[in-house]
Amino acid sequence: QVQLVQSGSELKKPGASVKVSCKASGYTFTDYGMIWLRQAPGQGLEWMGWINTDTRNPTYAQGFTGRFVFSLDTSVSTAYLQISSLQADDTAVYFCARKRQGVYVADYWGQGAPVIVSS
Amino acid sequence: DIQMTQSPSSLSASVGDRVTITCRASQSISSNLNWYQQKPGKAPNLLIYAASSLQSGVPSRFSGSGSGTDFTLTISSLQPEDFATYYCQQSYRSPLTFGQGTNLEIK
Repeated sequence: QVQLVQSGSELKKPGASVKVSCKASGYTFTDYGMIWLRQAPGQGLEWMGWINTDTRNPTYAQGFTGRFVFSLDTSVSTAYLQISSLQADDTAVYFCARKRQGVYVADYWGQGAPVIVSS
Repeated sequence: DIQMTQSPSSLSASVGDRVTITCRASQSISSNLNWYQQKPGKAPNLLIYAASSLQSGVPSRFSGSGSGTDFTLTISSLQPEDFATYYCQQSYRSPLTFGQGTNLEIK
C-alpha cells in the first residue's frame, strides 16, 4: 500500500534552518510527483509547490521562493523540504502528498511534520 | 489566482442527516475540483477528484457534483466518523488553491 512517512516534530530558533523528509513506499517513486503543503495553526491548507521526481524540476508557489527548497534522494525514495532563515510565521505543519499523474491532485498524504519557530 | 469560496464555514448536523457543502470558484475551472476531509491532528484525505469521481476506499455516501464555477459535496447519511473539516481545491491552474474549509460538527 502507498505510504508517505514524514520526519518528526522540530523546534527551531528564528534564523535557523530545518529539513523535513518524506519517505515513500508502495509505489515507484519516480512515477509520481511530490506536492508540499503548509497548514499554519488553526488555518487552512496552502500549496507550496511540487517537485517532478523524474526530472527533479521543482515548481514553487508565490511566497515560497528563495528560502524554500525541494529536493530528492531517489535511491531511498525520499523527498525533502528545506526551509532556511526560519521566521516565527513559518510555524506550521508541513505535509507532503503524492501528486496523481497528469493532474494536480494530492491522492496520498504524509502524516505531517510540525515545525515550531520560537526563541 | 483562482479564489475558492466554501459555504457554509461551519455546519451542525446529526447522525443520519443529508448534508451538502458548496464550493464556488472565482472563474471557470471546468471539472478540476477535488474534495478532502481532515480530522483534527491528522492529514487530509482525498474523497472526490475531478468533481464527481470517488477516490478508492471512500464510502459511497460521499458524492460530488458540479462544473464550471459551482460545485457541491454531499454526504447522504452522516455517520459519526464524518464529523471533520472539509476542503475543496481547484486543480485547474497553478497555483493550486483551497477553500477556507467547512467545519462539520455534531448537533
